[in-house]
Amino acid sequence: NAGVTQTPKFRILKIGQSMTLQCTQDMNHNYMYWYRQDPGMGLKLIYYSVGAGITDKGEVPNGYNVSRSTTEDFPLRLELAAPSQTSVYFCASTWGQGLEKLFFGSGTQLSVL
Amino acid sequence: GESVGLHLPTLSVQEGDNSIINCAYSNSASDYFIWYKQESGKGPQFIIDIRSNMDKRQGQRVTVLLNKTVKHLSLQIAATQPGDSAVYFCAENLDGSNYKLTFGKGTLLTVNP
Repeated sequence: NAGVTQTPKFRILKIGQSMTLQCTQDMNHNYMYWYRQDPGMGLKLIYYSVGAGITDKGEVPNGYNVSRSTTEDFPLRLELAAPSQTSVYFCASTWGQGLEKLFFGSGTQLSVL
Repeated sequence: GESVGLHLPTLSVQEGDNSIINCAYSNSASDYFIWYKQESGKGPQFIIDIRSNMDKRQGQRVTVLLNKTVKHLSLQIAATQPGDSAVYFCAENLDGSNYKLTFGKGTLLTVNP
């Protein structure tokens, strides 16, 4: 199993540009999550999904959108990139809604200039 | 502010020594705690967890101690190795779901040969 795969690993955007961060997992996990990690700060939950077709907001959803058309994929969309969105983004997945171990991807480092 | 935080942002130890990483939490209702290890350029990796009905839990070379009286959590790493060099952060949970994990800021552990 590849686990949780994120692409791209690095990206630089200009203010106002849009992009999609890709996340896919091959563990047949129902639950998927997007976090952002700012320098020197803890992870903040952006959006999560409990299964295909179902998504919900986390702690910091503004400026982002998600979709979950399949169990495997959970892309994160930035429509109008802002400097405040400069961060490292992590996708994670688990079996269920309880406190099963989170499996994280290796992250996408995004800079908005 | 965050309810989970770390006292020391950096910790430097000699190879073979024991390491102790601390974490303070402010919400006495938190009932589940997790320690994660994050190596440079990688996503967080689950190390060990503990529930609030326990004071101590041991894993392979790691021990987590929970002091509910002073709302303090610590991670002890025995015989620290160069491969232990990473950022370590704790997370707390209130309601038994991954949606409500609060992550701390992290401590950078450097192991000197």
